[in-house]
Amino acid sequence: DIQMTQSPSSLSASVGDRVTITCRASQGISNYLAWYQQKPGKVPKLLIYAASTLQSGVPSRFSGSGSGTDFTLTISSLQPEDVATYYCQKYNSAPLTFGQGTRLEIK
Amino acid sequence: EVQLVQSGAEVKKPGESLKISCKGSGYSFTSYWIGWVRQMPGKGLEWMGIIYPGDSDTRYSPSFQGQVTISADKSISTAYLQWSSLKASDTAMYYCARLSSGWYLDYWGQGTLVTVSS
Repeated sequence: DIQMTQSPSSLSASVGDRVTITCRASQGISNYLAWYQQKPGKVPKLLIYAASTLQSGVPSRFSGSGSGTDFTLTISSLQPEDVATYYCQKYNSAPLTFGQGTRLEIK
Repeated sequence: EVQLVQSGAEVKKPGESLKISCKGSGYSFTSYWIGWVRQMPGKGLEWMGIIYPGDSDTRYSPSFQGQVTISADKSISTAYLQWSSLKASDTAMYYCARLSSGWYLDYWGQGTLVTVSS
């Protein structure tokens, strides 16, 4: 089965910073990659699908890129409400494995 | 409006059985896969398996195969996750979610907290 590895596991950044989270697949998955945001105590929320397509209603400071095995989620200007754990997930075929998550905090 | 409404929190003893539910509305329930995701306390998201309510085609994560059963009753637009003998390690929040036509998870239920303790 394909494994999904995120880095870093956690990071702390200042408001206004550009933040990048990386997700790597152990085998190529084309662009079948989604990103989810889970705020503390809340339900996960879809941010990006097809590696780079923003889900409706998601702020434009979020963006995604990549194809094959290497993907990134970027927040162009970090806001206090972006404190959350971010997960990538492959969905080209079952099992639809998640990455282990990246916890993002404000410095 | 698409909604997935899950059953309420459960407190069970080890060895007991349990079936939790996820009722879909606002879309054609038989036309989209439903998935189940586990989140143990303080941990990440784990994909458990999916079911297509239209024909009950089911796929399990290798980690959960044989440990749980996923089913659906399309007549009442409800998917289920069940255990025959709970363990303390089953203590977790369980989410159902709809798979879009592309298989990413576009709508999520509110979660069902399952606590297994003697």
